[in-house]
Amino acid sequence: GENVEQHPSTLSVQEGDSAVIKCTYSDSASNYFPWYKQELGKGPQLIIDIRSNVGEKKDQRIAVTLNKTAKHFSLHITETQPEDSAVYFCAASTSYNNNDMRFGAGTRLTVKP
Amino acid sequence: DTGVSQDPRHKITKRGQNVTFRCDPISEHNRLYWYRQTLGQGPEFLTYFQNEAQLEKSRLLSDRFSAERPKGSFSTLEIQRTEQGDSAMYLCASSPTQGAGGYTFGSGTRLTVV
Repeated sequence: GENVEQHPSTLSVQEGDSAVIKCTYSDSASNYFPWYKQELGKGPQLIIDIRSNVGEKKDQRIAVTLNKTAKHFSLHITETQPEDSAVYFCAASTSYNNNDMRFGAGTRLTVKP
Repeated sequence: DTGVSQDPRHKITKRGQNVTFRCDPISEHNRLYWYRQTLGQGPEFLTYFQNEAQLEKSRLLSDRFSAERPKGSFSTLEIQRTEQGDSAMYLCASSPTQGAGGYTFGSGTRLTVV
């Protein structure tokens, strides 16, 4: 089955700086890669996703890049703000609605004001 | 529709007791998933429904766990004879059969077995 590894496990940045979180996956059949943000006491919330037919996707201050050959994908957050502080999870699946979604262990991002 | 709802938010139970959690998915979503999340880890897949049919169960789902979705709408997850190792956040998610959007998660039920 799919195995998703995520790093770093913790990341601390100064407000306004950029943050990068990286994930690798093992199953070459995976072609859907979402990123979730989880705040304390809440469930994970989808913030951006990418499908394997594109290499990069951007939504305002967040972007995701995908390298299918190397089987890794990354989340980039620019101009970080204190409200970006949360735990971020990457995931991989063969489809956006399939039951084979597997998650990384998470990255706790702290943005210092 | 306000998203995926889970009830209760928190549950404290004594070891050996049975507990039941409920999940109400987004109404137009046919697919429903249960995940378990322990501290410092990502969600781990437990089981999955397409309408009322339970199509896959993880090896994590021991015989003490049972899930139902009797009418293809809400789902329940029951844990019998709870053990301390069952303490975790139990997350429910739903997704559409077609179209975009991915998984929508509920806020979870945090179970503490004492």
